Amino acid sequence: AQTVTQSQPEMSVQEAETVTLSCTYDTSENNYYLFWYKQPPSRQMILVIRQEAYKQQNATENRFSVNFQKAAKSFSLKISDSQLGDTAMYFCAFMKHNAGNMLTFGGGTRLMVKP
Amino acid sequence: DGGITQSPKYLFRKEGQNVTLSCEQNLNHDAMYWYRQDPGQGLRLIYYSQIVNDFQKGDIAEGYSVSREKKESFPLTVTSAQKNPTAFYLCASSIDITGSYEQYFGPGTRLTVT
Repeated sequence: AQTVTQSQPEMSVQEAETVTLSCTYDTSENNYYLFWYKQPPSRQMILVIRQEAYKQQNATENRFSVNFQKAAKSFSLKISDSQLGDTAMYFCAFMKHNAGNMLTFGGGTRLMVKP
Repeated sequence: DGGITQSPKYLFRKEGQNVTLSCEQNLNHDAMYWYRQDPGQGLRLIYYSQIVNDFQKGDIAEGYSVSREKKESFPLTVTSAQKNPTAFYLCASSIDITGSYEQYFGPGTRLTVT
């Protein structure tokens, strides 16, 4: 079974600065996908970014980028130029390839962006 | 607009009563999922369905039941057998389960049982 660990329960960052959220996972699979989801105070889960394990290049989406270290089983999320609207819970999630689209979630990191 | 709707947003029930949470999607997705979220924790899978009239148990299915009579609908019943039913419930869907497609989530239902 896969496990996903987010070791930072809470973090804060000043507006316009950069913050990195950590995620590690444990799996014996070689083909898989990793995701970061955002859950703002409205509690709507929103996909932030996705990484395919077979791709060496780190995924980026505007101000969001990941540092994917497959050997270390690490998948951190970097948010650049933090905005007040980035305040949310962030969840790291793991999906095995061709295994029913099942997601395994980490426990989440609560991020507060301060003005 | 395409999306997933869950109703109601807040639901209150007395202990010992069954309650059904609604989930509807108009994304034409084959696969649908139910998750439970407890305070300060991640999501845990309750049930999922890959096609009409078929569904499978997830990690925490005890005390819950589902049906999938229509592609668009995947209601979840929280039965009186569920020992700790108070939680936030999220429904999700994806195109199907044969690829590795991301899941899209509904706005959730907060269930409180007293």
